[in-house]
Amino acid sequence: DTGVSQDPRHKITKRGQNVTFRCDPISEHNRLYWYRQTLGQGPEFLTYFQNEAQLEKSRLLSDRFSAERPKGSFSTLEIQRTEQGDSAMYLCASSFPLRGANFRDEQFFGPGTRLTVL
Amino acid sequence: TQLLEQSPQFLSIQEGENLTVYCNSSSVFSSLQWYRQEPGEGPVLLVTVVTGGEVKKLKRLTFQFGDARKDSSLHITAAQPGDTGLYLCAGAGNRDDKIIFGKGTRLHILP
Repeated sequence: DTGVSQDPRHKITKRGQNVTFRCDPISEHNRLYWYRQTLGQGPEFLTYFQNEAQLEKSRLLSDRFSAERPKGSFSTLEIQRTEQGDSAMYLCASSFPLRGANFRDEQFFGPGTRLTVL
Repeated sequence: TQLLEQSPQFLSIQEGENLTVYCNSSSVFSSLQWYRQEPGEGPVLLVTVVTGGEVKKLKRLTFQFGDARKDSSLHITAAQPGDTGLYLCAGAGNRDDKIIFGKGTRLHILP
């Protein structure tokens, strides 16, 4: 299987604990995105990387959130001092954007990590 | 701020019926994508439309991009229970490197 993978698929933690999620993108994709999705909503952009560089962070990404992509391959998303409001599905996507006259960035998503904060 | 409004939010119809769901914005997008998402899974890309007025077909699904590249529609012919899921549209701006998602249309096809 050469799709995007995420680990773990599910995480239950107590409020105040730290959690870390991992995403392995499609190997030839240089862009990697993190999204958060809550019930009844579409995915909300959190941050993205081009190779190892973090190019943009959403205002949704508080100081308790940090993401890394140290070698331009897999990425980790860490949440420190988790709060109940952090409960959501955390989605990772990767892409190899095609530029030129018809710019398009087709993102391929992983299965997500469902976080429950008790 | 670019926003994508999807309608209806929920749709429940009988197997065999036809349906159309919509994705609208006041902003122009360089491309627009449709995804389907099943519970507990990530979204799966169905199609990307790029040119204003473009129509793409994927078996019983027909996707159209508005002439002004501000809106799109998804039409399903003879819906089947396997079409059940959350249908998300997502738009890419001309200069922005990220895509923006609508809230989705939750479709339920009754056997």
